[in-house]
Amino acid sequence: GQNIDQPTEMTATEGAIVQINCTYQTSGFNGLFWYQQHAGEAPTFLSYNVLDGLEEKGRFSSFLSRSKGYSYLLLKELQMKDSASYLCGYQAGTALIFGKGTTLSVSS
Amino acid sequence: DTEVTQTPKHLVMGMTNKKSLKCEQHMGHRAMYWYKQKAKKPPELMFVYSYEKLSINESVPSRFSPECPNSSLLNLHLHALQPEDSALYLCASSQESGGATEAFFGQGTRLTVV
Repeated sequence: GQNIDQPTEMTATEGAIVQINCTYQTSGFNGLFWYQQHAGEAPTFLSYNVLDGLEEKGRFSSFLSRSKGYSYLLLKELQMKDSASYLCGYQAGTALIFGKGTTLSVSS
Repeated sequence: DTEVTQTPKHLVMGMTNKKSLKCEQHMGHRAMYWYKQKAKKPPELMFVYSYEKLSINESVPSRFSPECPNSSLLNLHLHALQPEDSALYLCASSQESGGATEAFFGQGTRLTVV
């Protein structure tokens, strides 16, 4: 994940909104993914962006700017169960490459 | 069925042992992946199989040997591992490789090398 950068840790409170940013550099790009991973569990798919703009899916939204190599994941109405690691990743050719992940801690 | 099934869930092996990790999916996906994940780190890509052919080997040591017997199965053969190889090994599959499609992950095999 050396070509993907995202914050290591973030904290927020229940009911709040949090934005997790991701920047990337790659020569081949087929799409930008966000996955959620709870401790000890497998990553689960959250969103996928291939075109510029905002994709909304319930409490989660993801944004992509291909020209800027920038994406963010927006989580609204935070719940305690949203405490997890959020992995930004891009598909280049046949490979899905992940960033280091952002650990989000939601407190009451 | 949107599951990727990995067995075993846990494995403890000695440095002289030979063992195999297994992964199975019945979603008709033609791309399958092996990832290695250490604690508090992101998954690191090891191998990609596309249409049952190895398309990517991310400079993985030869003590890890992947095999794709058919489009539904993916194995990872382990031999002469080192303690630093202890990690969570995740299998994933997607509809096709090259095009961006959602990857489904198995629950992983937690490997401990003693």
